[in-house]
Amino acid sequence: GAVVSQHPSRVICKSGTSVKIECRSLDFQATTMFWYRQFPKQSLMLMATSNEGSKATYEQGVEKDKFLINHASLTLSTLTVTSAHPEDSSFYICSARVVSTNEKLFFGSGTQLSVL
Amino acid sequence: GENVEQHPSTLSVQEGDSAVIKCTYSDSASNYFPWYKQELGKRPQLIIDIRSNVGEKKDQRIAVTLNKTAKHFSLHITETQPEDSAVYFCAARDFGGYQKVTFGTGTKLQVIP
Repeated sequence: GAVVSQHPSRVICKSGTSVKIECRSLDFQATTMFWYRQFPKQSLMLMATSNEGSKATYEQGVEKDKFLINHASLTLSTLTVTSAHPEDSSFYICSARVVSTNEKLFFGSGTQLSVL
Repeated sequence: GENVEQHPSTLSVQEGDSAVIKCTYSDSASNYFPWYKQELGKRPQLIIDIRSNVGEKKDQRIAVTLNKTAKHFSLHITETQPEDSAVYFCAARDFGGYQKVTFGTGTKLQVIP
């Protein structure tokens, strides 16, 4: 299957700092990537849809000024958690859809964010 | 938007028995239904998927059935093995727009040796 790389895998930061998470499609081009958030023992909640060359589309209730998404190229999307607070601590995971199949969604390895 | 419900939330079976996980969706326009397996702290892995123009699909010990009329789809795992133990998520993909994928609430499957 297609490979999606996500970094870092784990980050611990102080409250008030910003954290950037990168998501790369390694062997395919992804015009659309999705960012999910997952709390322990819960499902994946879609935060936003990242589109190459245009603004991200955020789900209801997700603060776009807090969770900045940049899709700079066909293989890279970044999520920046700005002014992080302890309640932002969560597992963040990106995914990308393989355009050729137009269906299958492949996931990055996830980032465990802990805000102290 | 799409709403996907999944049952049961936990499931314990003896090794060798079958496991069935059921999901319902709300948006009749959804046309693609993947199933993912997620081990603790790992990424979800696609295990099988089905399109809306197909009623059933099988891949070795795993099968998925879809009833479009009832907006219901199920995952069947036969001859379960301890390595099947994980959390399983069903999902449904929107037909239009960016074709977002909405996930069910997950089923924690435990296969007892």
